[in-house]
Amino acid sequence: AQSVTQPDIHITVSEGASLELRCNYSYGATPYLFWYVQSPGQGLQLLLKYFSGDTLVQGIKGFEAEFKRSQSSFNLRKPSVHWSDAAEYFCAVAAGPGGYNKLIFGAGTRLAVHP
Amino acid sequence: GAVVSQHPSWVICKSGTSVKIECRSLDFQATTMFWYRQFPKQSLMLMATSNEGSKATYEQGVEKDKFLINHASLTLSTLTVTSAHPEDSSFYICSASGVEDTQYFGPGTRLTVL
Repeated sequence: AQSVTQPDIHITVSEGASLELRCNYSYGATPYLFWYVQSPGQGLQLLLKYFSGDTLVQGIKGFEAEFKRSQSSFNLRKPSVHWSDAAEYFCAVAAGPGGYNKLIFGAGTRLAVHP
Repeated sequence: GAVVSQHPSWVICKSGTSVKIECRSLDFQATTMFWYRQFPKQSLMLMATSNEGSKATYEQGVEKDKFLINHASLTLSTLTVTSAHPEDSSFYICSASGVEDTQYFGPGTRLTVL
C-alpha cells in the first residue's frame, strides 16, 4: 500500500536560513510525488511535482525537491527562508500523474520562521 | 491558474440537521473532483472521488449515506453531510482536476456541529 512519512512534525528556522523538509514514501511502482503548502485555514497550493526525468525539480516560491529512488525520499529544500513561508507543508504520492489519481498525504510538517 | 472555490467557507449547524457544501471549478471543466476531510493539526484524508455524471467512489470507512456527493456538472460538485453530529465537525476540502494532470484545491469549508 502507498504511504508517505514526514518525520518532522514541527520545524523552526530563522529567516534567511536554509530549509529542508523530509519526505519518505512507500510505493511498489514508479511514484508520482508532490509537495503542497497550506496556510492556516486555507486550501492547498501545489509547490512542485515529480513524475519522471530530472530528479531535481524546481517549484514556485524558490522551492526545489530532489527525488532519490534509492532512499525512497523526496525532500523539499529552500536556500533562504522568508517569514511568509511559515505554513504547513504536505508531501503526497499518487499512483499516476493524472489529476484523476487520488493523493496519499503525509502527516505534514509545520514550519515556523523566526525573524 | 486554475481556481477552485468552495461555499460556504464556514458553517455552524445544529446536531441532526443537514449541511450542503459546494465545490466549483471557476475557469476549467473538472472531470474529476475529490473530497477530503482534515481534522485539526492532521493531514488530509480522502473521503471520495467523483466523476461528472457518475456515482462517487467512497474510501473505506466513509459512510456514503451520510456523506452524499453529487457531481452533476463539469464545474460543480456538492457534499451533503446528512444528520450532522458533533463528530462530523471538521475542515472539508475539495479538489478538482480537468485536462491537466494536477489537482487544484479549494480553500476549504469549516463545519461546526453544535
